[in-house]
Amino acid sequence: DTGVSQDPRHKITKRGQNVTFRCDPISEHNRLYWYRQTLGQGPEFLTYFQNEAQLEKSRLLSDRFSAERPKGSFSTLEIQRTEQGDSAMYLCASSLWPTNEKLFFGSGTQLSVL
Amino acid sequence: AQTVTQSQPEMSVQEAETVTLSCTYDTSENNYYLFWYKQPPSRQMILVIRQEAYKQQNATENRFSVNFQKAAKSFSLKISDSQLGDTAMYFCAFMLNAGGTSYGKLTFGQGTILTVHP
Repeated sequence: DTGVSQDPRHKITKRGQNVTFRCDPISEHNRLYWYRQTLGQGPEFLTYFQNEAQLEKSRLLSDRFSAERPKGSFSTLEIQRTEQGDSAMYLCASSLWPTNEKLFFGSGTQLSVL
Repeated sequence: AQTVTQSQPEMSVQEAETVTLSCTYDTSENNYYLFWYKQPPSRQMILVIRQEAYKQQNATENRFSVNFQKAAKSFSLKISDSQLGDTAMYFCAFMLNAGGTSYGKLTFGQGTILTVHP
């Protein structure tokens, strides 16, 4: 069990650019979640996958955001035409459903949009 | 929709002392989980303790224990024998236990920054 890993740890981009983040869940976990955390706030749910299927998306996830989980392993979160309001930490978590309700989080990707 | 409120933005405690962090929540559901997560400067969210709503007994994990008051919708965290490594942001979180899609959808509070002083 190597834990949930996220890459990159930090990303600085200019407004209007596209960015992509990667998450590698714990290998046997079938569910993968994306959360967004702004400074001084708790994380907010964005979307989740069960295996390769994206089962739910939050209203927070505008059409500039897209997430994939090909083959039910790693996941990518892409933000197109970034805006300053997208600056946040993007957290990934995974779990083994229905065996365990506990989520295991990665260390996040900190995005700064200039 | 569920809401979670942590009314203490910051708390401090002396090493070896006991501190209690407060959390209240609002839900019309009866079956759910409550969690406390710790987020140190390394940013990784670490599960501290969990409570199942249908269990009356308060959860304990070593130096960490909760006071779960279901009727009052209160879920406080007590840290005994505080250590310097306990310094972190602490989040209270709610998860509905309705099976299927509710698993993994956590609603977090705003967090409490805890500082343990030597």
